Amino acid sequence: GESVGLHLPTLSVQEGDNSIINCAYSNSASDYFIWYKQESGKGPQFIIDIRSNMDKRQGQRVTVLLNKTVKHLSLQIAATQPGDSAVYFCAENTGNQFYFGTGTSLTVIP
Amino acid sequence: NAGVMQNPRHLVRRRGQEARLRCSPMKGHSHVYWYRQLPEEGLKFMVYLQKENIIDESGMPKERFSAEFPKEGPSILRIQQVVRGDSAAYFCASSPGYGYTFGSGTRLTVV
Repeated sequence: GESVGLHLPTLSVQEGDNSIINCAYSNSASDYFIWYKQESGKGPQFIIDIRSNMDKRQGQRVTVLLNKTVKHLSLQIAATQPGDSAVYFCAENTGNQFYFGTGTSLTVIP
Repeated sequence: NAGVMQNPRHLVRRRGQEARLRCSPMKGHSHVYWYRQLPEEGLKFMVYLQKENIIDESGMPKERFSAEFPKEGPSILRIQQVVRGDSAAYFCASSPGYGYTFGSGTRLTVV
């Protein structure tokens, strides 16, 4: 079956630095990916998405990179702020559902 | 637009009781998905429904769990004869056909 994994379970960064969160996926047929942010006690919140016909997509302070050759996805957050502290999940879409990784906990140090 | 509404936010049940979790999708969304999240884990797909139809229930346990999305009213995830292992956060997401918007979840505690 499909699996989505994250390389690092925790990440601490200084406020103002850039953050990079990585994700590996296993299903080469997945054609749509989303990054979600989940704050404690809340539901996942959409951050940014990318389709498999793209290798980069930029949002406000966030960039997602997709490398289909090695089945790798990354989320870059520029000028990380304390409000960015949360658990970040990547999710790949295959068929009727999204498969989520276990998440990376990002802590921003003021 | 009120977003995806789930209730209750917290639910405590004794072992053997029934749990009913409700999800009202965003206005105009006809696709509903239920996910379960154990502490410090990712979300696991349970079931995908469209109005009055179960499209994919491959992630749903075969016993004690059921889901519906009637023509009128919210989607319901029903867990019969709950056990301690059912304690988790249950999230509902709705979609117009692409992408998801999640609700805030129902945290079920079985005592």
